[in-house]
Amino acid sequence: GQQLNQSPQSMFIQEGEDVSMNCTSSSIFNTWLWYKQEPGEGPVLLIALYKAGELTSNGRLTAQFGITRKDSFLNISASIPSDVGIYFCAGLNYGGSQGNLIFGKGTKLSVKP
Amino acid sequence: NAGVTQTPKFRVLKTGQSMTLLCAQDMNHEYMYWYRQDPGMGLRLIHYSVGEGTTAKGEVPDGYNVSRLKKQNFLLGLESAAPSQTSVYFCASTARSGQLYGYTFGSGTRLTVV
Repeated sequence: GQQLNQSPQSMFIQEGEDVSMNCTSSSIFNTWLWYKQEPGEGPVLLIALYKAGELTSNGRLTAQFGITRKDSFLNISASIPSDVGIYFCAGLNYGGSQGNLIFGKGTKLSVKP
Repeated sequence: NAGVTQTPKFRVLKTGQSMTLLCAQDMNHEYMYWYRQDPGMGLRLIHYSVGEGTTAKGEVPDGYNVSRLKKQNFLLGLESAAPSQTSVYFCASTARSGQLYGYTFGSGTRLTVV
């Protein structure tokens, strides 16, 4: 089945630093999504990408849909303590009866004040 | 606007016991999903439903059963709990047309099987 390789697995950074994480796949996706999960909560959608090459921002977050449609990255600029959590990438191939999201294993972000 | 509500939030079971996890959504979504989340494994799909009265197996369906008798509810059952089913379970939903916008997740059920 389709799999997503998300890296790094974890990051320990200082407040104010920029963060970069990425996802790669051996398969093509039509949509890339990035989620954030805070402790004790379910994942919440941050950014959705729909076209190869698309670059989308949401505040201090920027994500890009790779040209090959097999990868995506997420950048967080000027990190703050509330950025702590697990970030998941997810790929979607819509159409058919299923259209299920495929999730990466997550990047755990820790921010030191 | 409650979104996706999961009950219970926490549960401890003895090996061999059975239980049902309830997921309810008030957004009139067609599609509903059950995931389990384990450390280092990300989110793995157990079962899903594309409409009332329909269910299908996901990546890790063994040991679980589901039912979608009403559009707003998706039940996950464990007939004979095993320690390997200790996990955090998440329900999610989306409208058919909303697949492009990702899923809405509940806040999870933490299950421990001893």
